[in-house]
Amino acid sequence: QQQVRQSPQSLTVWEGETAILNCSYEDSTFDYFPWYRLFPGESPALLIAIRPVSNKKEDGRFTIFFNKREKKLSLHITDSQPGDSATYFCAASPSSSFSKLVFGQGTSLSVVP
Amino acid sequence: DPKIIQKPKYLVAVTGSEKILICEQYLGHNAMYWYRQSAKKPLEFMFSYSYQKLMDNQTASSRFQPQSSKKNHLDLQITALKPDDSATYFCASSQDNAGGQNTLYFGAGTRLSVL
Repeated sequence: QQQVRQSPQSLTVWEGETAILNCSYEDSTFDYFPWYRLFPGESPALLIAIRPVSNKKEDGRFTIFFNKREKKLSLHITDSQPGDSATYFCAASPSSSFSKLVFGQGTSLSVVP
Repeated sequence: DPKIIQKPKYLVAVTGSEKILICEQYLGHNAMYWYRQSAKKPLEFMFSYSYQKLMDNQTASSRFQPQSSKKNHLDLQITALKPDDSATYFCASSQDNAGGQNTLYFGAGTRLSVL
């Protein structure tokens, strides 16, 4: 039973478009939602994170929209660049411990010039 | 320079053998973790250590044994290897074991193939 689900599994957008990556979760005790980005051969790296005290978190071209009632969140990447091509992981945990950090299966994003 | 060093980067093993995956972090963190990513599956939490003590173990098999000889080391010993153990194993660390404002930093992974 997967507690964090991501869609789509893969996504292709043109350069300059907005890429939308979706995530949903099961456990209502989750209250910390980081997104990690993984380039091939590199380390997963924290991109942006949100806690449910707000329903939106913005950092440059990256924005998380959060809907606590529906247990859904999405990552919007505006003005997508070829360098954004990577796998994006949504994760969730209760803020009490990283021991419970649960990852989704990832969305592979390709940005075409 | 990478702050979390995992060795080796690639590892090929035969079924039934034993291997040790090395992880060292130079971030001054107190908590370290192992995650595993099998083909087409999410990153899966395996172990967490805080101040060299096991905090959480989500791995059912005793064939996986973390070893912490120093505060900044958390190696992973895998015995009686099976083909299903083939995966990329990521080591990670954080300032401490609490979530919230702590960021989890990952190494580049060890890609294990068991033949």
